[in-house]
Order: sequence, then structure tokens, then C-alpha cells
Amino acid sequence: KAGVTQTPRYLIKTRGQQVTLSCSPISGHRSVSWYQQTPGQGLQFLFEYFSETQRNKGNFPGRFSGRQFSNSRSEMNVSTLELGDSALYLCASSLRGFEGLGTEAFFGQGTRLTVV
Amino acid sequence: AQKITQTQPGMFVQEKEAVTLDCTYDTSDPSYGLFWYKQPSSGEMIFLIYQGSYDQQNATEGRYSLNFQKARKSANLVISASQLGDSAMYFCAPSQEGSQGNLIFGKGTKLSVKP
Repeated sequence: KAGVTQTPRYLIKTRGQQVTLSCSPISGHRSVSWYQQTPGQGLQFLFEYFSETQRNKGNFPGRFSGRQFSNSRSEMNVSTLELGDSALYLCASSLRGFEGLGTEAFFGQGTRLTVV
Repeated sequence: AQKITQTQPGMFVQEKEAVTLDCTYDTSDPSYGLFWYKQPSSGEMIFLIYQGSYDQQNATEGRYSLNFQKARKSANLVISASQLGDSAMYFCAPSQEGSQGNLIFGKGTKLSVKP
């Protein structure tokens, strides 16, 4: 079965612009999470969506936002880009039921964003 | 906030030998299990192994096994018979049972396998 798909793979944007990244989870997975990875801060959790609702949010400014559609596909948006937003953005999907049980998170290959 | 410590920024191992990667975490919640992921240079995070908080035995998955010491809050990854393809970054991530949607990762260990 198809894995987690992130588009685009690479992106170059200018300071002040906004960007939208896309993530298609594994079929049947309803939980989608986003992570930012930088050499300085490492892997940091951005937010998690489940059934179109934001379930958890990391410690990031309001410029970072996301949403999830009824087919579980998710997008994240970063507005007013700063140089420090240059990073690898990873998306992960997992099975996560209301009973709290689940399995491992499967990651996409990421979108490498460069802000110039 | 959850604190995860991977004390080895970089490790070298000879091909075919075993290597242990350390991970300790800071939580008093007994419901925490632990994930290990591998990240090759391509960037994708690859799931390796999971130890459930209430599992009675250490988890094993092929050449990967965990040395889980709950009282010490440590879950070290053991890779046996190292292969050149094992060269990558390795991250541990404690997770409250069923909460793998918001993983908190350690800084990682860069493993280099020498031929």
C-alpha cells in the first residue's frame, strides 16, 4: 500500500511570503502530525490533526497553521516566512482510535523548505 | 516538559559488529512506551521498534532489540550484525500509550558503520 506522500519535496521561498505544504496519509489513517526539523533545534512537533480537528499543538507561533480534510489529507501553512523557517518539514500518519490504542507513526520523505 | 537524552551525538561501529545506542527519558508517567526511528540521509523517518510501557519482555524486531529498563527510564537500542546501510541518524521518542501523534524526539545519534 502507498506510504505517506508529501508535496512538494523541495521549495524555495522569499522572506515575507507564505507557503503551503501538503501531506497525504496512508489510506485508513486518520491521524496526521507535522514536525519541523532543523540542525539547531532538532525534530520538533508542530501539530496533530485527527478527523479534521486539531488534537495537539506544539510550541510554535501563530504563523504556523494547518488543517485536515475529510479524506484525511492535511496541509500546513506558514505565513510571513522568516529565514529561521528554513527546515525539513515532516508529516506522519498513524492509526489512532478513540480507545487510545494505535501503532507506530509512518513518516513521509519530507518537504525541504529554504527561505532566502 | 518531557526531556529525552541521547548522550552519543556520534558513534562508529565496524561492519558485522553489534552497537548500542543510548536513550533516557524523563517522565514519572508509567504509561510511557518508547519508539525508535532511523533517518537516513534521504530524510525519511523509518520506524524500527516500539516498547510498550507494560510489555513484560524487551522488544525485538529482526536485528533490532531494546534494552528497556523502566525504573531507570532508559531504552537503549541494540543493533546486531551492523550493515553499511545502518549508517544513519537514530532517534528515540517516548510516547504515552496511544499518543504517537505527538512524538517528542531526542537530539539523535549519528551512527556510522565502517567496512
